[in-house]
Amino acid sequence: TQLLEQSPQFLSIQEGENLTVYCNSSSVFSSLQWYRQEPGEGPVLLVTVVTGGEVKKLKRLTFQFGDARKDSSLHITAAQPGDTGLYLCAGAGRNAGNMLTFGGGTRLMVKP
Amino acid sequence: DAMVIQNPRYQVTQFGKPVTLSCSQTLNHNVMYWYQQKSSQAPKLLFHYYDKDFNNEADTPDNFQSRRPNTSFCFLDIRSPGLGDAAMYLCATSRRDSYTDTQYFGPGTRLTVL
Repeated sequence: TQLLEQSPQFLSIQEGENLTVYCNSSSVFSSLQWYRQEPGEGPVLLVTVVTGGEVKKLKRLTFQFGDARKDSSLHITAAQPGDTGLYLCAGAGRNAGNMLTFGGGTRLMVKP
Repeated sequence: DAMVIQNPRYQVTQFGKPVTLSCSQTLNHNVMYWYQQKSSQAPKLLFHYYDKDFNNEADTPDNFQSRRPNTSFCFLDIRSPGLGDAAMYLCATSRRDSYTDTQYFGPGTRLTVL
């Protein structure tokens, strides 16, 4: 069974601060997705990372996939209230029949 | 725009009264998934279809059934909803032979059981 540990679970920060969310596993993933989910809505895909060591940027969001493809991080620079939501990482593994293993989620609140 | 659509967005049913949730997609993806999500938790996979092949998760209650009449549509049937089945139900799709296995989610259906 593949497990994906996500931290922190909760994060409350002021507008303008930086933050990092981590996802760690002992398993190797073929790809890893990051989603953001707002209350009452479905998860919206932010990025997919595939290659070990890969770094992708989406405006103020920077995503990194670990060299061994076992971990990933999401860094937000100068957070804004619009970044508030539930952030989910999810790893896809060939051994799991391409099913996603979800992290537990990080609930982010950015206060103005 | 290609997308995953879920109807209705909000569903209220009575304890024990069957309910059907629907999902459609214009992405032409060969895999469709149903997830259950309770507040602030990660989605929990109920089952998925790979083309016409149905794959049930071991811990999905028998109360939950699914149908996929064609590539575009998939339904979730809850035969006798209990209070514990109140949740957000998410449909997702992916292309199994893609390099990334990325899943795309619909907006969800919020189910309330009275």
